[in-house]
Amino acid sequence: GENVEQHPSTLSVQEGDSAVIKCTYSDSASNYFPWYKQELGKRPQLIIDIRSNVGEKKDQRIAVTLNKTAKHFSLHITETQPEDSAVYFCAAFKAAGNKLTFGGGTRVLVKP
Amino acid sequence: ETGVTQTPRHLVMGMTNKKSLKCEQHLGHNAMYWYKQSAKKPLELMFVYNFKEQTENNSVPSRFSPECPNSSHLFLHLHTLQPEDSALYLCASNLQEGGELFFGEGSRLTVL
Repeated sequence: GENVEQHPSTLSVQEGDSAVIKCTYSDSASNYFPWYKQELGKRPQLIIDIRSNVGEKKDQRIAVTLNKTAKHFSLHITETQPEDSAVYFCAAFKAAGNKLTFGGGTRVLVKP
Repeated sequence: ETGVTQTPRHLVMGMTNKKSLKCEQHLGHNAMYWYKQSAKKPLELMFVYNFKEQTENNSVPSRFSPECPNSSHLFLHLHTLQPEDSALYLCASNLQEGGELFFGEGSRLTVL
């Protein structure tokens, strides 16, 4: 089955700096890669996603890149703010079985 | 409010009890999921239902028994659980062909 590895597990950055989270996946059949943000005590929510026919996508301060050949994708947050503090999960989706597999999560702390 | 409602929000049970978790979605989705969230494995897929049919059982012990009577409702029946089963159980739904996963608030389970 699909295996998604996510690094780092924790990330502390100064407000205004950039944060980068990296994920790798194992199943070349996966074709959709969403990122979820989970604030303390709340449910995970989608913040950005990318499909396998696209190499990069940007939405204001967040961007995702995908390298299908290497089977890795990354989340980039620029000009970090305290409200960006949360746990971020990457995921890989495979249409067969409608299965979304999550990485282990990255706890991001933005220090004011 | 994401349109996915879980009850109860908190549950404490003994190892010999039988209880059930309920999930309801009003989004017109046809796929529903149970995820387990704990410190060890932040978002672990348990079961997937597509059009009421179970398509994934991620090696979950038989003391967890899912039920999906229709596309809008999903249950997780619990019986003779262990203390290590204490966790947050998240229900989610989406359209079978993929896309954003909408999570419920979760049911916090404590097994004594």
